Amino acid sequence: EIVLTQSPGTLSLSPGERATLSCRASQSVISRYLAWYQQQPGQAPRLLIYGASIRATGIPDRFSGSGSGTDFTLTITRLEPEDFAVYYCQQYGTSPALTFGGGTKVEIK
Amino acid sequence: EVQLVESGGGLAQPGRSLRLSCAASGFTFEDHAMHWVRQAPGKGLEWVSGISGNTRRIGYADSVKGRFTISRDNAKNSVYMEMSSLTTEDTALYYCARGFNWNLYFMDVWGKGTTVTVSS
Repeated sequence: EIVLTQSPGTLSLSPGERATLSCRASQSVISRYLAWYQQQPGQAPRLLIYGASIRATGIPDRFSGSGSGTDFTLTITRLEPEDFAVYYCQQYGTSPALTFGGGTKVEIK
Repeated sequence: EVQLVESGGGLAQPGRSLRLSCAASGFTFEDHAMHWVRQAPGKGLEWVSGISGNTRRIGYADSVKGRFTISRDNAKNSVYMEMSSLTTEDTALYYCARGFNWNLYFMDVWGKGTTVTVSS
């Protein structure tokens, strides 16, 4: 099983700042099979990125994903008020067994 | 409009069983894998199980393997999760989620969830 470790656990930033979230895998994720989700309080998750860097439909271009192998990054270039949420990475390289990371909370400083 | 509506959650005693259902609408159901993802109170997301569009590929998290069984009825646009030998560790909000395509990859549409509480 691939274990995904997200860091930091909490990121305290101000609106307009840049956020950089990390997702590290315990072994290489094949074909960059990694997705990112955003979850607002009390809501279901929303798909942001798949294939490590492909934005899902309707996702603003301030969200970008990068990385390969064991190290992946989600970057939010200029934080908007609605971006303060919890973010999860998920790998599907070992399909049919999938795993999520533990999450990173982006909070207002 | 693409929609997923979960049902079947509730209170169950440890060791008992529960069956969750998810009704899908607004898309060609058989073209998409379906997943169950859970979230314990105050915790992160945990993928539980997934089933491909043609039912040939099924996966389970180690934490539920042998206790939970996923199935789908493409004629009824529904996916199910039969949960048995429940423990307090299974207490969570259970989301039904649509797979991006027929395979077990990532999820692009989510329901609002149904709550399962396991307690004596």
